[in-house]
Amino acid sequence: QVQLQESTTGLVKPSETLSLTCSVSGYSISSAYSWGWMRQPPGKGLEWVATLHHSGSTYHNPSLQSGVTISKDASENQFFLTLTSVTAADTAVYYCVIGIVSAYSNDYWGPGNLVTVSS
Amino acid sequence: DIQMTQSPSSLSASVGDRVTITCRASQGISNYLAWFQHKPGKAPKSLIYAASTLQSGVPSKFSGSGSGTDFTLTINNLQPEDFATYYCQQYKTYPLTFGGGTRVEIK
Repeated sequence: QVQLQESTTGLVKPSETLSLTCSVSGYSISSAYSWGWMRQPPGKGLEWVATLHHSGSTYHNPSLQSGVTISKDASENQFFLTLTSVTAADTAVYYCVIGIVSAYSNDYWGPGNLVTVSS
Repeated sequence: DIQMTQSPSSLSASVGDRVTITCRASQGISNYLAWFQHKPGKAPKSLIYAASTLQSGVPSKFSGSGSGTDFTLTINNLQPEDFATYYCQQYKTYPLTFGGGTRVEIK
């Protein structure tokens, strides 16, 4: 059974860096086509954040004002998201996702982890 | 960016009902559309990709159709576990974009 679990510090101050880790069990992430992150701000809908393709190409939402980096560590079966210079607008539940059927299919999601940006 | 518009934003239905949710793209996306089910506090679940292909393990009571700009998700024989929020998402081009969601509630 494929399971994803996000982890993070939970509370980040404005202008600081937010780091998220997605730990995957039941599936080798090396076999996936893509690794990505979505988020849901309080009271709002889902929003795509960033995706890393098996090819090595990365994509991120240009509407994000924060700097975005997505990476993975296949040896640890984990992948990561870093947002720099965060603002209150980055407060959201963050979900990690993997694409197994294709690079775009977002087949499995984690349960989400709330990140609050506040001083 | 491609805008995705879902309707209705919410609906009330009874157990056993058939419900249909629509999703419209602001430009043609061929069949590059997925549907997700989301329950509070849970991981969103992928139901359908490529507009009409059921994800492995998803019951056949769920079905998707459409191509181009207009798509539908149909749920037959609504059961208590189906009450959730449903989202469409296009993956024709980046940035990936979602519809605003349809909350399916118990009547």
